[in-house]
Amino acid sequence: DGGITQSPKYLFRKEGQNVTLSCEQNLNHDAMYWYRQDPGQGLRLIYYSQIVNDFQKGDIAEGYSVSREKKESFPLTVTSAQKNPTAFYLCASSKTGTGAMNTEAFFGQGTRLTVV
Amino acid sequence: AQTVTQSQPEMSVQEAETVTLSCTYDTSESDYYLFWYKQPPSRQMILVIRQEAYKQQNATENRFSVNFQKAAKSFSLKISDSQLGDAAMYFCAYRKNRDDKIIFGKGTRLHILP
Repeated sequence: DGGITQSPKYLFRKEGQNVTLSCEQNLNHDAMYWYRQDPGQGLRLIYYSQIVNDFQKGDIAEGYSVSREKKESFPLTVTSAQKNPTAFYLCASSKTGTGAMNTEAFFGQGTRLTVV
Repeated sequence: AQTVTQSQPEMSVQEAETVTLSCTYDTSESDYYLFWYKQPPSRQMILVIRQEAYKQQNATENRFSVNFQKAAKSFSLKISDSQLGDAAMYFCAYRKNRDDKIIFGKGTRLHILP
C-alpha cells in the first residue's frame, strides 16, 4: 500500500536530549513537510522540502533540524534548543508543480513526543 | 505572508442538520488552492474537499460543499445531513500555485449532537 509512515507513534525523551522522528513515503512525492500540532494552535509548519538535498524553513523552525538525503525520507530532529518540544508531530508529502491534482497533501499518522 | 483564519474554535450541530464552518485567508496572489481537511479522534488527516481559485464554481463532495468568495477571501465549508462520524477537527488550508508551502488555520472542533 502506498502511504506515509511515521515512527514511532509515541516517543518519550528526557529534557536536554536530541530526538529524531522518522518519516518515510512510497508515493514518489517530491515535496515533504513537517508540522507541529498543539491544542488551539492548528498545524504550524516546521520545515518543508521540495527536492532531495534541499529544504526550507517554515514558521517555527527554531530548535529543529531536518535532512533530505533520499526522496523517500525526511527525518526531523528535535534538538535540546527547542524550548517546548512536547507536541504532536505530523509529516506530510505531496506532488510538486502546477495543476489541481498535484496539490493535495497526504499525511502520516503522527508521532506524539513527550519530553520529561 | 499568507495567513489562514478560522474564527470558530468549536461548533455543535444536531445530527441530520446542516452546519457551516468559516475560513478566511489573506493573500495577494490570484492563483492558489484551498482545502478543508478533517482530523477525527484517530488524528489521521483526511482531505475533505479542494477548490481551485480560478474556478468560480463551488466544489462539492457528496454532503460537503464550499462557498468560495474570492473577492472576500472567504472559503466556508457546509456539511449537510450531519452524521456522528463527522465529529472531528476541521482545518482550512491554503497553497499558492507553483509553490509547495501549505498553510493551515487553527482548526474548528465540530461536535455532533445525537
